[in-house]
Order: sequence, then structure tokens, then C-alpha cells
Amino acid sequence: KNQVEQSPQSLIILEGKNCTLQCNYTVSPFSNLRWYKQDTGRGPVSLTIMTFSENTKSNGRYTATLDADTKQSSLHITASQLSDSASYICVVSAGGNEKLTFGTGTRLTIIP
Amino acid sequence: ETGVTQTPRHLVMGMTNKKSLKCEQHLGHNAMYWYKQSAKKPLELMFVYNFKEQTENNSVPSRFSPECPNSSHLFLHLHTLQPEDSALYLCASSQDNFDSGALEQYFGPGTRLTVT
Repeated sequence: KNQVEQSPQSLIILEGKNCTLQCNYTVSPFSNLRWYKQDTGRGPVSLTIMTFSENTKSNGRYTATLDADTKQSSLHITASQLSDSASYICVVSAGGNEKLTFGTGTRLTIIP
Repeated sequence: ETGVTQTPRHLVMGMTNKKSLKCEQHLGHNAMYWYKQSAKKPLELMFVYNFKEQTENNSVPSRFSPECPNSSHLFLHLHTLQPEDSALYLCASSQDNFDSGALEQYFGPGTRLTVT
């Protein structure tokens, strides 16, 4: 069964600090992995998408890594800002016309 | 804004009511989706429409009835819901659904539904 697990479930850090969110998956065959940011009361917005051949991708202060051998991904946020407070969802797609498999998300809170 | 709008943003309804959720996308996409998001659970895909035709129904109870009159509009008709149906209902669109894993899905802001 395809699964995506994220950790931690929630995280609180001080403004300006860095943090790393984890995503482990058992989706096969792997096609791509996305990280979404979901602000409270809003829909998810894509941050990055990574295919099998990519092991790192950046979007401003967000950097995603992918290790296809260990089936792990991380999302690193640098110099956090109050606006980074949101849920971050890892989504993995299997090859072929398969449904996306969503993680339950990590709830990140940035405090001043 | 993502180009996908949903109305209403909040809805409270009794178990005997009939209501509808509306989604509209302004991105020129051909595929539209309904998702259910409950607290501490992954997003659950409910329905998929591709070029106005329903291509997926993820064993959703018949009290949820989708309608896609054209590629830009998607409705979710609700009747005799249960309290456990309370959740955030998200609409999304993508260019098409021929390879759902490869194409970016753009989400609307969701409708927060409470069933009393």
C-alpha cells in the first residue's frame, strides 16, 4: 500500500531560526514528489516538485532534498519568518496514471 | 490567488438540508477534482472530472453528488449529510488528467463545512 509519513506532526520555532521537515514514502514506482504549503483557511500551494533524478531543489528560503534510494525527502526552511507558519504537506506520485498519495502534513508555527 | 475560487467559504447545515458547493477555475484547465480534508488525516480524493466527464469516484457515499457542466465549473451537491462529513472541501484543477501524477494541481481556498 502506498503511504507517505511526515514528521514531526507539529513544530514551533523562533522567528529567524532554521528548521527541517521530514517525509518518508513507500510509493512505488516513484514518479515525483511535491511539497505544498497550506496556510490556515487556504488551499495548498505548491513549493517544489522533484523527479527521480533530482536530489535538491530550492525555492527562495525553501530547499527540498530527495533521496530516492532511502525514499526520504526533507524540506529545509532558512531564516524563518512569521509568514512561514502553515501546514507543509508532502505528496508523492506513482508512475503511470496513479492517484497522488498525500501525507498528513507538519504544522509549523513561527513565534516572534 | 491560484485562479481557483470556491463558494461559499463557510457552510453550516443540518442533516436534512440540501446545499451545493461551487468551484470555478480561471486557468483554462480541463481536469477538476474534489478533495475532502479532515483534521489530522491526509487529503482524500473524492471525484475527478476530465473534459467534463467523471473519470474517478473514490467510493464516495451517494449523499455527495458531483456535477461538472463545463471544464470551468464544478459543483458538489450535498444532501442528508452526517456529522462526520464535517471537513474542509477543496477543489483543484490541472491541465488534464491523462497523467495525474505529472501535472500540477492548483487548489482553491476550500469550503469549511459543518454538519449539525
